[in-house]
Amino acid sequence: DIVMTQSPDSLAVSLGERATINCKSSQSVLSSSNNENYLAWYQQKPGQPPKLLIYWASTRKSGVPERFSGSGSGTDFILTISSLQAEDVAVYYCQQYYHTPSITFGQGTRLEIK
Amino acid sequence: EVQLLESGGGLVQPGGSLRLSCAASGFSFSSHAMHWVRQAPGKGLEWVATIVANGADTYYADSVKGRFTISRDNSKNTLYLQMTGLRAEDTALYYCSNDHSGAYILDSWGQGTLVTVSS
Repeated sequence: DIVMTQSPDSLAVSLGERATINCKSSQSVLSSSNNENYLAWYQQKPGQPPKLLIYWASTRKSGVPERFSGSGSGTDFILTISSLQAEDVAVYYCQQYYHTPSITFGQGTRLEIK
Repeated sequence: EVQLLESGGGLVQPGGSLRLSCAASGFSFSSHAMHWVRQAPGKGLEWVATIVANGADTYYADSVKGRFTISRDNSKNTLYLQMTGLRAEDTALYYCSNDHSGAYILDSWGQGTLVTVSS
């Protein structure tokens, strides 16, 4: 299985500041056939199910605020929240869907307000 | 609006069985693969099983293979997870999710149903 490792495990950022979460995969999730990275990001707020934010590494799901962006390629990826809002407090997970059906998630990064 | 409503969780003894259900609405259920993902208390997300849109193919995590069975009834817009030989380590909140574009992207999620395995 592909192992997904996120850093940091937890993060505290001031309101209005930028938050950056890293995700590294144990092998490349970039497909040579379509040049797509098979990487998604999810947000899980306390007491709620996960919510899809970004897929194909950088495509925002419809309705997701523009302050959320994804970048990276191959084995290294970043989720950026450009200006942190109070409602962004959550645990964030990356997920690879390159090696299916055995999809795997990162361990999660807890984002709090400083 | 997509709605996924899980049910069937509860307290069960080790070695016991449970059947989870996920009632789907707001999208074309029969056109989408479906997934079960679980989350142990205070832990991260673990993929459990996947079934393709027509139900012909199913896939399982090694941790549940041979004990769990995923199925679906497209006439009832309902997904199932039959769990047997339950172990303490199966204790978790079980979510169902619909697939986005057939790529194993987990689009919408239900609220989950809690399974507790304990004597």
